[in-house]
Amino acid sequence: RKEVEQDPGPFNVPEGATVAFNCTYSNSASQSFFWYRQDCRKEPKLLMSVYSSGNEDGRFTAQLNRASQYISLLIRDSKLSDSATYLCVVKGGEYGNKLVFGAGTILRVKS
Amino acid sequence: DVKVTQSSRYLVKRTGEKVFLECVQDMDHENMFWYRQDPGLGLRLIYFSYDVKMKEKGDIPEGYSVSREKKERFSLILESASTNQTSMYLCASSKPSKRHSYEQYFGPGTRLTVT
Repeated sequence: RKEVEQDPGPFNVPEGATVAFNCTYSNSASQSFFWYRQDCRKEPKLLMSVYSSGNEDGRFTAQLNRASQYISLLIRDSKLSDSATYLCVVKGGEYGNKLVFGAGTILRVKS
Repeated sequence: DVKVTQSSRYLVKRTGEKVFLECVQDMDHENMFWYRQDPGLGLRLIYFSYDVKMKEKGDIPEGYSVSREKKERFSLILESASTNQTSMYLCASSKPSKRHSYEQYFGPGTRLTVT
C-alpha cells in the first residue's frame, strides 16, 4: 500500500465548476499536511498547508480528517489556469522531516 | 526571489557511464534533497542533507551517491548509470523544519535518459 494515495484522474471539468480531490495517508502519526501544485513540465510548488481546522485561500479550501486519515482540496469557480497536477504531501511521525508525496491528481479545466 | 538551479534540463547518457547532477540554491538553506519522479509513482526521495558534508539515505538510495561540500551545492552521482535510472530528477532545498510553515523549493528538474 502506498503511503499517500490519490486518485490519479484526470478530472476534466468546465470553467466555473467546483472540483474536489481526496487523498489518504497510511501513517497515523503524520503531523503536517500540504498540497503542492505542479504545472506540466515544471517543478512542484507549495499551494497551501492543511490545518486541522480546515483552511481557505481564495477559491481553494483544504480539509483534514485525522480520524479517517484523509485530506481534501476543494477548488471553486475553476479557471483554465488551475489545470495542473495536485500533489498531496505529508510530513512528520515516522517520516521525520521528510516529505512524502502522493503521485498526484491531474486536473484539466476546459472552456 | 528564491532560486534553485540544476545543471542540465536534459541529459542523455549511456549504460555504465558515471553521471553527475548538480544543484545549487541561493537561499542559504540548510536542507537539500534529491528526488526522482516517475509516472504513477510520484516523487521519491533518493538522498537528503541537513548540513555541509552530511548526508542521509532516502527511500531509494541504491545506485546513487551524493556530495555536499558547500552549503549551497548538492550533487547527485550515478556511479554506473542503468536504464532503470531513466527519470526526472528534482532537487529541492528548505530551511529547517517548522511544523506548518515548512516549504521545499524545487529546481526545474533534469530529465535523464540512459540508453
